[in-house]
Amino acid sequence: GQNIDQPTEMTATEGAIVQINCTYQTSGFNGLFWYQQHAGEAPTFLSYNVLDGLEEKGRFSSFLSRSKGYSYLLLKELQMKDSASYLCAAMDSNYQLIWGAGTKLIIKP
Amino acid sequence: GAVVSQHPSRVICKSGTSVKIECRSLDFQATTMFWYRQFPKKSLMLMATSNEGSKATYEQGVEKDKFLINHASLTLSTLTVTSAHPEDSSFYICSARVGSSSETQYFGPGTRLLVL
Repeated sequence: GQNIDQPTEMTATEGAIVQINCTYQTSGFNGLFWYQQHAGEAPTFLSYNVLDGLEEKGRFSSFLSRSKGYSYLLLKELQMKDSASYLCAAMDSNYQLIWGAGTKLIIKP
Repeated sequence: GAVVSQHPSRVICKSGTSVKIECRSLDFQATTMFWYRQFPKKSLMLMATSNEGSKATYEQGVEKDKFLINHASLTLSTLTVTSAHPEDSSFYICSARVGSSSETQYFGPGTRLLVL
């Protein structure tokens, strides 16, 4: 079956670095997405990886290892506004997104 | 960037009534639109995939006669919740993508439905 695993909740301190891991199993693979979702709002796109390696975009970076079925989202210089849920989603061979349950990130001052 | 709008953003209705939610791609043509439902503290659940000019493909367990989807044009898809019940109360989100194999989905802001 198809499955996405990510931690339910993480806590970090303002100004620090946090890494949110995601493992996936899908029928075929057409890329891995990370979305940010604030409470009561729709998800917003953060990153897309389809090749192995690290993609850096400002304070956020995303890594993919296709052979391990593994990705992580790295957030640097954490700000209070980064408190949100972070959703990992893998795209299968039919270009459908398979969603993880999301990781709730709590930032403490 | 690509913008997707949803209307209404929030709706409260009585049990037994029908509610229509619109999803529009504002600056691009969306050949495929997706409808999701999200319960509190849960992940997105895909309800159906809608292609312009054809019938929607519903996920297992989603009643197609209860959740009517019409993708009438390349910029508009509608979801009608018929004979709504309190258990239909949820956050409904649409997304749109260009082409059948495009990677990126663009999400609407969501519609919060409360059925009394």
